[in-house]
Amino acid sequence: DAKTTQPNSMESNEEEPVHLPCNHSTISGTDYIHWYRQLPSQGPEYVIHGLTSNVNNRMASLAIAEDRKSSTLILHRATLRDAAVYYCILRDNSGYALNFGKGTSLLVTP
Amino acid sequence: KAGVTQTPRYLIKTRGQQVTLSCSPISGHRSVSWYQQTPGQGLQFLFEYFSETQRNKGNFPGRFSGRQFSNSRSEMNVSTLELGDSALYLCASSPFSAGSYGYTFGSGTRLTVV
Repeated sequence: DAKTTQPNSMESNEEEPVHLPCNHSTISGTDYIHWYRQLPSQGPEYVIHGLTSNVNNRMASLAIAEDRKSSTLILHRATLRDAAVYYCILRDNSGYALNFGKGTSLLVTP
Repeated sequence: KAGVTQTPRYLIKTRGQQVTLSCSPISGHRSVSWYQQTPGQGLQFLFEYFSETQRNKGNFPGRFSGRQFSNSRSEMNVSTLELGDSALYLCASSPFSAGSYGYTFGSGTRLTVV
């Protein structure tokens, strides 16, 4: 699987938008971009995924660069409950494992 | 609908013993994966099953094994437990084993080896 690069940590104020970046310069044409998050003392939680076009769901938006070498997870209004480690992962249809890496630890302050 | 259920939630075992962990996937999901999470190594892939067949295996010793039943429920077994096996073991399920599908994780089984 191709690798991703994320900042170790980010901080945001409550009720402000958060943009979590992910670089994946070696992405292949068949790699899907997945985002998961893990709250303290819980299992990872699926957030969103996409292939080429930007995606929106009730949790977040995923903005994918035109060359697909980077993507951004957007939390439109951060809440204290969004404080978690966010993982950006690439996965194609032939790979079975999710390679989590270190992720970005998001701190949300009131 | 019910999520991914892992049992037991907590387990304490003695070094040298064996342990079996259970995972019930979301109804209709045929792919089940197992992960080990430790503070030092983070989340590491153990293995994945799809329709009762092991599709891939991570870099773990043979003491770690698993299986999947016809109803998609899965078990993982660790024999001859070592102190380093203390970890949170997570199970995840997906409709299919493909990048176009997301995984739903259970809350995990916290295993402590003493």
